[in-house]
Amino acid sequence: AQSVTQPDIHITVSEGASLELRCNYSYGATPYLFWYVQSPGQGLQLLLKYFSGDTLVQGIKGFEAEFKRSQSSFNLRKPSVHWSDAAEYFCAVVPISGGYNKLIFGAGTRLAVHP
Amino acid sequence: GAVVSQHPSWVICKSGTSVKIECRSLDFQATTMFWYRQFPKQSLMLMATSNEGSKATYEQGVEKDKFLINHASLTLSTLTVTSAHPEDSSFYICSARTGSEEQYFGPGTRLTVT
Repeated sequence: AQSVTQPDIHITVSEGASLELRCNYSYGATPYLFWYVQSPGQGLQLLLKYFSGDTLVQGIKGFEAEFKRSQSSFNLRKPSVHWSDAAEYFCAVVPISGGYNKLIFGAGTRLAVHP
Repeated sequence: GAVVSQHPSWVICKSGTSVKIECRSLDFQATTMFWYRQFPKQSLMLMATSNEGSKATYEQGVEKDKFLINHASLTLSTLTVTSAHPEDSSFYICSARTGSEEQYFGPGTRLTVT
């Protein structure tokens, strides 16, 4: 079945530590890939996106993600986490067959940051 | 730029009444707007897609007579929850898109039906 999977529901890291949030997708053709962050009281903010080309994508706030076709993954990384990064992170895809229309979200990963 | 607002941010209504939620693109014209529903600690589920001047396209399982969507202008879309019941309590989020660019999300509206 077509799906977007974020295996980790909740992750806790120490401030200054590195971070990797996992995202796997299951679609016939590689979809467009996105990472969003949701903070309380704020709308979802796009961190980065991948359509094609260089598989290492740089985003805002020091985040990057790497697309690995062989693993059907698009993991989000940050080398040094700040307390303000505590939020909910969503991986999302737009299936190619559906056109640039429907964003399908993963279940989300809640990030907590210890001081 | 690319700011999307929603009003109200929180609404409480009694069971059986209707409530309208507004979604506005403040600094751009949105050819397409989307409405999502998010249950506590869960992901966003697309409810419907609306194009300005056209009828909304609802996702499977979403009752179009309960969730009325109007996209009357390029900057405004409304979602009306008709005859609301406690099970309709949720967080409703809209997004707006122009052309083929990314979607910009509003801050969401929390609906509580008592």
